[in-house]
Amino acid sequence: AQRVTQPEKLLSVFKGAPVELKCNYSYSGSPELFWYVQYSRQRLQLLLRHISRESIKGFTADLNKGETSFHLKKPFAQEEDSAMYYCALLTGANNLFFGTGTRLTVIP
Amino acid sequence: KAGVTQTPRYLIKTRGQQVTLSCSPISGHRSVSWYQQTPGQGLQFLFEYFSETQRNKGNFPGRFSGRQFSNSRSEMNVSTLELGDSALYLCASSLGGQGDGYTFGSGTRLTVV
Repeated sequence: AQRVTQPEKLLSVFKGAPVELKCNYSYSGSPELFWYVQYSRQRLQLLLRHISRESIKGFTADLNKGETSFHLKKPFAQEEDSAMYYCALLTGANNLFFGTGTRLTVIP
Repeated sequence: KAGVTQTPRYLIKTRGQQVTLSCSPISGHRSVSWYQQTPGQGLQFLFEYFSETQRNKGNFPGRFSGRQFSNSRSEMNVSTLELGDSALYLCASSLGGQGDGYTFGSGTRLTVV
């Protein structure tokens, strides 16, 4: 069975500090992983996907199959990064499973 | 282009009643997925419809059902409501192919009293 684990429910960092949101997954097939973000009073939206290997709003995430991880990183946190972040795994059957989310607060 | 539209935005129902939620996907999107979001459980997958057929199903009781129409609009029904069904119900649409991104609606907040 597939599982997405985000071990931190809450994460606080100071503005300008590096931030890393952890995500580990368990899946027997070839995973496709995503990060979604939900800003206050806004809808859930796609932040980035591992197949794109792109940087969005300064965030990057690298799929590490050996460690079954897909951690989200940003070198310098900004106040506008404060939001709820969800890691998600897309199975071969096109099911998108989410972790329980991490609430990031960037302290000014 | 218009995003994913969910109606109604808010609903209050009493235990034992039933409720129907609606989702209109982005034009051209053939896949609609439903999720239940609660503070304790996070986002839990309910089911996915593609071309009017339920393609995937999560681990929810049979009181939760859905359907999709020929125009890809989808409805979700919950019968015999329980207090624990209070949640934000999110709908997401995609083209339906492997790896296609999901676009989420704003959700319907259901409160069962």
